Amino acid sequence: DQQVKQNSPSLSVQEGRISILNCDYTNSMFDYFLWYKKYPAEGPTFLISISSIKDKNEDGRFTVFLNKSAKHLSLHIVPSQPGDSAVYFCAAGNTGNQFYFGTGTSLTVIP
Amino acid sequence: NAGVMQNPRHLVRRRGQEARLRCSPMKGHSHVYWYRQLPEEGLKFMVYLQKENIIDESGMPKERFSAEFPKEGPSILRIQQVVRGDSAAYFCASSPGFRGGSDTQYFGPGTRLTVL
Repeated sequence: DQQVKQNSPSLSVQEGRISILNCDYTNSMFDYFLWYKKYPAEGPTFLISISSIKDKNEDGRFTVFLNKSAKHLSLHIVPSQPGDSAVYFCAAGNTGNQFYFGTGTSLTVIP
Repeated sequence: NAGVMQNPRHLVRRRGQEARLRCSPMKGHSHVYWYRQLPEEGLKFMVYLQKENIIDESGMPKERFSAEFPKEGPSILRIQQVVRGDSAAYFCASSPGFRGGSDTQYFGPGTRLTVL
């Protein structure tokens, strides 16, 4: 049973525009959420996180939004750059327990 | 500060052999997690360990797979009598523990296991 879902396997965006990656989860008890970026043949790299007490966290060009009532989070990248092209995984869980990962969204930023 | 280290990066085994994957967490991290990524799939949790303790192994196959994190040395994921279906990328992550409710996991580069 997939507790974290990323329904868009791929996304293409023009350089300079906004990229929006979406993630849905099923367990209302999850209290911590993370986004990772992954290049081929490398491990996932931590990007940004948000706890359930917040609805927004911003770090430079990256902003994560959390909608607890909808069990939905999204990652906004603006402006998108070609170096952002990678697979993005969202993860959700409870502090002190395992995290559940989505299947990833492959982002391509077109120069 | 070195990140999470995994070795080997690539491992080839024949069916029936044993595979040993090693993970050294980041300095100061006492929690280790193992994940598996099958082709075209996301990361699947396998096991969560602290020093000398298995905290959660709900994602581990019941047979042939085991993990340890001894007091000294790296964490080891061991797969006995490998089969072709074990071919995957195995990622290790570490975290410092519980600080104010956040516990971000940092990943190693992974070990790509190929079973011939």
